[in-house]
Amino acid sequence: GAGVSQSPSNKVTEKGKDVELRCDPISGHTALYWYRQSLGQGLEFLIYFQGNSAPDKSGLPSDRFSAERTGGSVSTLTIQRTQQEDSAVYLCASSLGLAGGWETQYFGPGTRLLVL
Amino acid sequence: GESVGLHLPTLSVQEGDNSIINCAYSNSASDYFIWYKQESGKGPQFIIDIRSNMDKRQGQRVTVLLNKTVKHLSLQIAATQPGDSAVYFCAEIEYGGSQGNLIFGKGTKLSVKP
Repeated sequence: GAGVSQSPSNKVTEKGKDVELRCDPISGHTALYWYRQSLGQGLEFLIYFQGNSAPDKSGLPSDRFSAERTGGSVSTLTIQRTQQEDSAVYLCASSLGLAGGWETQYFGPGTRLLVL
Repeated sequence: GESVGLHLPTLSVQEGDNSIINCAYSNSASDYFIWYKQESGKGPQFIIDIRSNMDKRQGQRVTVLLNKTVKHLSLQIAATQPGDSAVYFCAEIEYGGSQGNLIFGKGTKLSVKP
């Protein structure tokens, strides 16, 4: 079956530009997560959506980062006025959303963002 | 193991040997543990999980061992193959409250020599 998909797979942008990253979760998964992974580092949690509840934005590093999830499915992570330190792999994951919290997540392939 | 700075600990094994990858988790209240495999250029892939009321669980060529006394989790891979080369990391989940707590480890790089 189809897994989590992300687009674009690679993005090169100039410092100061805005970027949008897209995530399509597994069909039927109500929970969606965004992470950032810098070279050689572990996963850094950014934001979590569960159904129609208000998202958990506690991991967003600055107000330049925002995310939306429309219709409970597709999500877009937006980074405004990108900085070089934003360069990383941005990973999206989804889960069934039955546990009322964290549960086994299935990851997409990631978007590799390079800010020049 | 735990990583320091930008360098992941590396485990190098010969093809056909067994591999043991370790993870020292931090939260004694964690209820659930997951091992992920991440190949170069790909997202993490679920391998196996274990609940805190178990101390061992087996899958296909993989076994996870949980020692709650010393907060240690290990992943054993039998007859390691070149396709097993990847970064492996553990995740721990504590259920409770509005959504609980999730912590990912930084990973161990497994290198399989043919």
